[in-house]
Amino acid sequence: TQLLEQSPQFLSIQEGENLTVYCNSSSVFSSLQWYRQEPGEGPVLLVTVVTGGEVKKLKRLTFQFGDARKDSSLHITAAQPGDTGLYLCAGESYGGSQGNLIFGKGTKLSVKP
Amino acid sequence: EAQVTQNPRYLITVTGKKLTVTCSQNMNHEYMSWYRQDPGLGLRQIYYSMNVEVTDKGDVPEGYKVSRKEKRNFPLILESPSPNQTSLYFCASRRTGMSGTEAFFGQGTRLTVV
Repeated sequence: TQLLEQSPQFLSIQEGENLTVYCNSSSVFSSLQWYRQEPGEGPVLLVTVVTGGEVKKLKRLTFQFGDARKDSSLHITAAQPGDTGLYLCAGESYGGSQGNLIFGKGTKLSVKP
Repeated sequence: EAQVTQNPRYLITVTGKKLTVTCSQNMNHEYMSWYRQDPGLGLRQIYYSMNVEVTDKGDVPEGYKVSRKEKRNFPLILESPSPNQTSLYFCASRRTGMSGTEAFFGQGTRLTVV
């Protein structure tokens, strides 16, 4: 069974701090996505990384896909209260017959003003 | 606007009373799926459909049914709901291309079975 482990599970920080969230697996993925989910809403895609070692930036958010395509990280610079939410990583596996998009359990981020 | 629409958003029902949660997408995606989200367990796939008339079980299919008669609609049916099906449910459609897969989620249905 493929698993995606996210850490930390919970993170509470002050506005202006930096943080990194990790997503790890023993499986290789063809791509990996990061979603953000706000309370009462569905997850919304932030980014997809496809190439091993790839780094993508979205304003203050930096996403990296591991060289071996088994792990990823999300770094937020100077966090703001608007960044509060549940961050989910999802890995797309090669082939397979069961929908092949596996979600981690998420990191719940709270940014206090 | 590209979207996945679920109804209802909130539902309280009694054990054993059949219910249907509707899901519709306007993006012409072939792939659709249903998830439930529970504290500490994350998003778990219930059923998925790779195209019209093609459905298959996900990780937690017991107690649920689905149908895919049209490309845009993918309803979730609970024939005899039980309290352990109290959860937050999400429908999603999926687009796959050269840049990987992107899942589009509905706003969720919070179901309480008493």
